[in-house]
Parts: sequence; C-alpha cells; structure tokens
Amino acid sequence: ETGVTQTPRHLVMGMTNKKSLKCEQHLGHNAMYWYKQSAKKPLELMFVYNFKEQTENNSVPSRFSPECPNSSHLFLHLHTLQPEDSALYLCASSQPRVGAMNTEAFFGQGTRLTVV
Amino acid sequence: AQKITQTQPGMFVQEKEAVTLDCTYDTSDPSYGLFWYKQPSSGEMIFLIYQGSYDQQNATEGRYSLNFQKARKSANLVISASQLGDSAMYFCAMSGYSGSARQLTFGSGTQLTVLP
Repeated sequence: ETGVTQTPRHLVMGMTNKKSLKCEQHLGHNAMYWYKQSAKKPLELMFVYNFKEQTENNSVPSRFSPECPNSSHLFLHLHTLQPEDSALYLCASSQPRVGAMNTEAFFGQGTRLTVV
Repeated sequence: AQKITQTQPGMFVQEKEAVTLDCTYDTSDPSYGLFWYKQPSSGEMIFLIYQGSYDQQNATEGRYSLNFQKARKSANLVISASQLGDSAMYFCAMSGYSGSARQLTFGSGTQLTVLP
C-alpha cells in the first residue's frame, strides 16, 4: 500500500460535469497539498491544509473547491471546468515540524485530468 | 518570494556515466531546504535527496549527491553511474513559508534520458 493514494488515475470530463478527485494518505501526516502540473510548466501549488484547516489558496478559480474532512483525506471538487484546466493534479502530504525545513513532501501518482 | 531555476529542459547521458543536473535558487530567507524529486512517466514524484541551508557538507544518498554552493545559490544534482531506469523528469524544489503554511516551490524540471 503506497503512502499517498489518488483516485481516479485518469479522468475525462465535459465542461458542464461535476467530479471529485480523492487523495488519501496513510503516513500520519498533518499537512496535505494539491498541486497542478501542466505541460511544460512548473508544479503550481493550489491549496494547503494544515491540521484540516486551509492555510493557503494560491488564487485558484472557484471552479476548484477543496475539502479536507480529516487529516488523512483530501478532495478536490471540480465543476464547470475549462479545457485549459486539463493537467496532472498531484496530491502530497508532509509532517510539518516547527522550524524544520527538511520535511519532504510525499506525493501520490496523480490524476490526469482531461476536460473536453 | 522564492524562485527555482532549472535551465536544462533536456539532458542525455550514456549508461554508466555521471550526469549533473543544474539548479539555482533565489530566496531572502536565511533558513531553507533544497530538495530533488524524480518523476517517471507514471507521474508520481519520488523524493531523492535533501540539503539544508545550514548543512556544512553536501548531501549524498546512494548514487545521488547534491553539489551545494551557497554563495552561488546553486544546488546541482549529480547522478553517478547512470542507469536506464534513471530516465525521468527531475525537479529541484525549495521549502519555505508562505504566510503560515510551509510549502515547496518547484523548478520547471529537466528531462533526463539515459542512453544504452
């Protein structure tokens, strides 16, 4: 069982659909993240949750709606997306320690989203 | 604001030879961490190596070593004895704080191809 699991691995949706991406971590971490990876662009941080509280929203359009019901699960709800939202969406988790910079993030395998 | 720059979009190396992947960074924080991740075609981001800004020695992990030159703000990854399985995208990242959240900022990546 991998540390961070994302489902589905692939998703094709129309612009009027509503879908959700799911992320689950089995590492006991308290921080979870959503990243977007578009072709030929660096990973873009979308949302950060620390202890189930959203602490970061990097100017993400409201058609992306995150949800963190507990420290092990993270969702990304999608509605009325645009074709340019097609990308690989990566979930990550880490265990923040005060003052420490060496806490690496563990990533899931991502959901490859195609909006048609 | 933090910035990571990877100037090599693609690199080729012969199997069993060493290769250096470049990474420069910019930050005003006195304390930070530098990471390298590998992303195979499957999509998952795999943590490789970490270097702290106050670490006196360069980090090493098996065939991976990090050539940390603080004055030049560079953190190059050296892979010794390349293997075919090393073919992947490689990302340099820096940890820092944005508001109350600790997060990773990624470079644009280098596509490494190991030739038989």
